[in-house]
Amino acid sequence: EIVLTQSPGTLSLSPGERATLSCRASQSVSSNYLAWYQQKPGQTPRLLIFGASSRATGIPDRFSGSGSGTDFTLTISRLEPEDFAVYYCQQYGSSPRTFGQGTKVEIK
Amino acid sequence: EVQLLESGGGLVQPGGALRLSCAASGFTFSSFGMSWVRQAPGKGLEWVSSMSGSGDSTYYADSVKGRFSISRDNSKNTLYFQMNSLRAEDTAVYYCAKDQGWLIVDWGQGTLVTVSS
Repeated sequence: EIVLTQSPGTLSLSPGERATLSCRASQSVSSNYLAWYQQKPGQTPRLLIFGASSRATGIPDRFSGSGSGTDFTLTISRLEPEDFAVYYCQQYGSSPRTFGQGTKVEIK
Repeated sequence: EVQLLESGGGLVQPGGALRLSCAASGFTFSSFGMSWVRQAPGKGLEWVSSMSGSGDSTYYADSVKGRFSISRDNSKNTLYFQMNSLRAEDTAVYYCAKDQGWLIVDWGQGTLVTVSS
């Protein structure tokens, strides 16, 4: 089973700042099948990024994903008020599909 | 528009059973694999089970293998999750999700399962 470790656990930033979230895998993620999801309090998760760097339909271009192998990054170029949420990475290249523990982006 | 509507959650005693349903609409149900993902209160996401579009293939997390069973009725556009021998640690919101390959692309609103005496 691939273990995904996200860092930091919490990121305290102000609107307009840049957010950089990390996801590290215990072994190489097959075909870079790494996704990022956003979850706001009381809401369902939403797909942001798939294939490590492809934005899902309707996702603003301030969200970008990068990385390969075992190290992946989600970057939010300029935080909007609606971006404060919890972000999860997930690998879907091998079974069982696994999630990271999440990074909370909170308002500073 | 994809819609996934879960039902069947509730309070059940340890050792009890519950059957979740997920009514799907807005896409050709039989063409897509489907999954169940759960989230314990205040915790992260955990994939628990998946089924192929045809229903020929099923997959389970070790934590539920042998206790839970996924199934689908493509004529009714409905996914099911039979949960037996429930434990306190199974308490969670259970999300029905639509797969594209192995990628989870859409999520339902979830149904809360509480296992407690």
